[in-house]
Amino acid sequence: QVQLQESGPGLVKPSETLSLTCIVSGGSVSSGSHYWSWIRQPPGKGLEWIGYIYYSGNTNYNPSLKSRVTISLDTFKNQFSLRLSSVTAADTALYYCARSGSYDYAFDIWGQGTMVTVSS
Amino acid sequence: DIQMTQSPSSLSASVGDRVTITCRASQSISSYLNWYQQKPGKAPKLLITAASSLQSGVPSRFSGSGSGTDFTLTISSLQPEDFATYYCQQSYSALLTFGGGTKVEIK
Repeated sequence: QVQLQESGPGLVKPSETLSLTCIVSGGSVSSGSHYWSWIRQPPGKGLEWIGYIYYSGNTNYNPSLKSRVTISLDTFKNQFSLRLSSVTAADTALYYCARSGSYDYAFDIWGQGTMVTVSS
Repeated sequence: DIQMTQSPSSLSASVGDRVTITCRASQSISSYLNWYQQKPGKAPKLLITAASSLQSGVPSRFSGSGSGTDFTLTISSLQPEDFATYYCQQSYSALLTFGGGTKVEIK
């Protein structure tokens, strides 16, 4: 079955760039049936969708983060990545990668999440 | 942005109780509404899509209903493993948004 696994630094300094990767196993990021998203959850709070990428390379970002976010796809490594620039303490969160259907945009497969803390 | 408002934000219930959680959209979203269950330290799990379609493997005590702006998630007989936080999510607009969550606690 399809599994997602996030990886990346757990600590990022303020004003620097957060970079995370999601490795996809048991399925292909080149599938035209799915979108590949990043979602975050600050400690003790709710879920915020960051953005998604399609196999074609098309992206869609949350406008509240759009100026700082880049999501990219590596079909050879079967993974996708998140870059979030100019981070502040408000970006401290548990970051999830997730798959959604191209029809219903429901997140049916999630990674386990990786905690990123922004602190000097 | 389409705002998703869940109520209540938390509730206490006993095993066997019938539990209803409400999700209201700030504008009509047809049936583009999904429900998730999240347990502490775990990623959310998809329960229901398109307002009322139960995901494979999800117990039949879970059900969803509604369309337009008002939606409900019902657990017909609460089980010990159902104590968790539940989120709704709209997929009507390009900006995907979640409700604030409803925490179901043991009474």
